[in-house]
Formats: sequence, structure tokens, C-alpha cells
Amino acid sequence: GESVGLHLPTLSVQEGDNSIINCAYSNSASDYFIWYKQESGKGPQFIIDIRSNMDKRQGQRVTVLLNKTVKHLSLQIAATQPGDSAVYFCAELDSSYKLIFGSGTRLLVRP
Amino acid sequence: EAGVTQSPTHLIKTRGQQATLRCSPISGHTSVYWYQQALGLGLQFLLWYDEGEERNRGNFPPRFSGRQFPNYSSELNVNALELEDSALYLCASSLGRRNTEAFFGQGTRLTVV
Repeated sequence: GESVGLHLPTLSVQEGDNSIINCAYSNSASDYFIWYKQESGKGPQFIIDIRSNMDKRQGQRVTVLLNKTVKHLSLQIAATQPGDSAVYFCAELDSSYKLIFGSGTRLLVRP
Repeated sequence: EAGVTQSPTHLIKTRGQQATLRCSPISGHTSVYWYQQALGLGLQFLLWYDEGEERNRGNFPPRFSGRQFPNYSSELNVNALELEDSALYLCASSLGRRNTEAFFGQGTRLTVV
């Protein structure tokens, strides 16, 4: 079935360290992937996206890496801050243009 | 520019009743997506509307339905409410089926008692 899953349900990091959140996807035909951040009580917020013709894309303090060979996606957050604490979802756009979400990883930033 | 707006913010219904949730997309966006997020879980795809038509639906029973109006706003209707329907219902909009950057509203928290 459709699935985009995450390896770690909870990630705890020290403030200032780098964070890496991983995601596996199942549909090799998917050509677009997004990372969202969801804070408590709020809707998901777009962070960064990447198309399948790329293997890396950088934003402000965030980098997304795509490995199509093993169908793996990762989000790297540099110099993690307390405001980064949230649940992070990866999502893939399937061939019928549905955005399929993973179950989420909770990022906890220790002061 | 206003983002995606959803109403109401909270909704409490009794089992067996009907619930109507509303979504206004970002101006110029023609695609609207609905997702259900049960407490502590991920987002489950419900429905996708584009240019006024239902383009796709997720694995939900027919009592979950909706529509998109000519101004691209959308309604999600849930009939014969069950306790398990209690969740955060999120709406997202995008420019179109291939402009895939989707922006979410704050959601409607539906509680069925």
C-alpha cells in the first residue's frame, strides 16, 4: 500500500547540535517530496521540498537529501534551536497527485 | 496575504450527527486537500479537489464527503458521526495539481461525544 515511513519516532538533541531526521518511502515512481514541521496545536508548516531529479537541496539552516537508490529521504537541521522542537513529517507526491504523509518524528531540543 | 483559513476552530458533535467543516484556500489556489489527523498520529489523506471537481479520495467511508465551490473554497461533510471521527481535520491548498507546494490551515478540531 501507500507508505512513507520514518525510522525514529522521537529524536532528542542538544541545543546547537545538528539534527538528522530520516524517512523511507515506498513508491519509486514518486518525483516530489516535502518536509513539514508541525508545532503543537498548529497545522503543518512547509519547510523544504525536493524533486527526484535532485539529490540535495539547501534552505536556511535546513538541507534535504534524497537517495533514490534506497528510497530514503533525510532532513538535516543545522545548529538546532529550541524553536525547532516540533513533529516533522515527510511527504511524497504519488502518481495520482496525492500527498502521502509519514507518521512523523518528534524532535526534542534540550537546552 | 491571508493563508489557508478553516472554520470552525473547534467543533463538538454528538455521535450520529453531521459535521460540516469549511476551508478557504489561499487566493489564486485552485487545489484543496483534506486530511484527518487523529491525536498523536500522522496525516491521513481524505479528499482532493481541483478546479471544482473531486480528483481523488483516500480510504475513508462514503459518509466522508465534500465539495469545492466556484470560488475554490471547500466543505468537508461527515455524516453519521462516530467517536473514532474525533480528530484534527486539516485543509491545504496549492496552485494546482502540479504546483505541489501545499500550505496548510490551522485545522478544525472535531470532537464526537
